[in-house]
Amino acid sequence: DTGVSQNPRHKITKRGQNVTFRCDPISEHNRLYWYRQTLGQGPEFLTYFQNEAQLEKSRLLSDRFSAERPKGSFSTLEIQRTEQGDSAMYLCASSLGEAKGSQPQHFGDGTRLSIL
Amino acid sequence: GNSVTQMEGPVTLSEEAFLTINCTYTATGYPSLFWYVQYPGEGLQLLLKATKADDKGSNKGFEATYRKETTSFHLEKGSVQVSDSAVYFCALSGGAGGTSYGKLTFGQGTILTVHP
Repeated sequence: DTGVSQNPRHKITKRGQNVTFRCDPISEHNRLYWYRQTLGQGPEFLTYFQNEAQLEKSRLLSDRFSAERPKGSFSTLEIQRTEQGDSAMYLCASSLGEAKGSQPQHFGDGTRLSIL
Repeated sequence: GNSVTQMEGPVTLSEEAFLTINCTYTATGYPSLFWYVQYPGEGLQLLLKATKADDKGSNKGFEATYRKETTSFHLEKGSVQVSDSAVYFCALSGGAGGTSYGKLTFGQGTILTVHP
């Protein structure tokens, strides 16, 4: 079963450094999503792609965050000039895309980011 | 915008007790509704879903009915097991039209602990 794969599982970095995470979705899924989850909270939407097009980005997302999905397969999420508040679990999910949003999203195990 | 409210946790039950976790939502139109579960040390997994009013989603003995008149999607199980101990998230997708159909909006999660 080739589910959603995220790398790395853990990332520890110093404040001010740049970090990049990778997500490999389920191969036949054309939609890919990024979420952020902090302790005791539900995941919070960051952005999503349909194929290679980035269709929506959260208004709460700082300009320091950028995501790409260049060939419509894997995706990367980059955080520039990291801050303490960026410490969280970053989740990737994928799904088949259709208008109503009724297709379930399949989640990876996440990348836990810790800022020193 | 869309929002999801879950009952305050944590919930502690004895094995074979009846479980209810309340979930209410705010959304325009007709969103799809989901329950996700996160077992200790694992990623988010879809538990069940319902895509239109009066639909009942069910899986592993859990059930939830899409009630549009009360904007609710309460999770129930008749007899819980120790292995059901996990964090449960209610979520919705769609309902607002346009590009909002892609993302999930989650509740804050409810921690369930089941004792033998």
